[in-house]
Amino acid sequence: DQQVKQNSPSLSVQEGRISILNCDYTNSMFDYFLWYKKYPAEGPTFLISISSIKDKNEDGRFTVFLNKSAKHLSLHIVPSQPGDSAVYFCAASVWGSGTYKYIFGTGTRLKVLA
Amino acid sequence: GAVVSQHPSRVICKSGTSVKIECRSLDFQATTMFWYRQFPKKSLMLMATSNEGSKATYEQGVEKDKFLINHASLTLSTLTVTSAHPEDSSFYICSARSRTESNYGYTFGSGTRLTVV
Repeated sequence: DQQVKQNSPSLSVQEGRISILNCDYTNSMFDYFLWYKKYPAEGPTFLISISSIKDKNEDGRFTVFLNKSAKHLSLHIVPSQPGDSAVYFCAASVWGSGTYKYIFGTGTRLKVLA
Repeated sequence: GAVVSQHPSRVICKSGTSVKIECRSLDFQATTMFWYRQFPKKSLMLMATSNEGSKATYEQGVEKDKFLINHASLTLSTLTVTSAHPEDSSFYICSARSRTESNYGYTFGSGTRLTVV
């Protein structure tokens, strides 16, 4: 059972426009959410995170929104740049068995067109 | 959907001992498996990649004799930290890519917190 879902495997956006990447989850016990960015042949790089007690976190061009009632989070990138083209993973963490566990989505490939 | 089971989720071991971490793809065949180590800034550092039927390819700076990776089958990969030292304490996570999915179809394990005392 996929507890964290990224239902859009790919997304294309024009340079300068807004990119919106979505993520849905099923476990209401998740208390922390993260977004990672991955270039080919590299490991995922941490991008931005949000605690479950917040509904928005902003860092430069990147903003993450959390809607707990809908169990949905989204990553907004504005304005989008060609260098943003990568695979984006959302992840959720939950405490259990004496440690945090991370559950990742399967990724969304973003292509920003020049 | 594709599920990767990673265990143990947490392990504490004594310095000098070896620890094995398992990563299993439960409902798909993983043609490629990745092992990552998470550092304090929360980025995941790729340690090695193992492809079906071949030996693991280690990233630069990763000691292959210390971090033994065995892709025993299409559904099982193991990472063994040999002669563990406190500096090996970290969060290790595996990821698998299935045969039928495109190259963004990664499925991650839930991670293993290793503490070496």
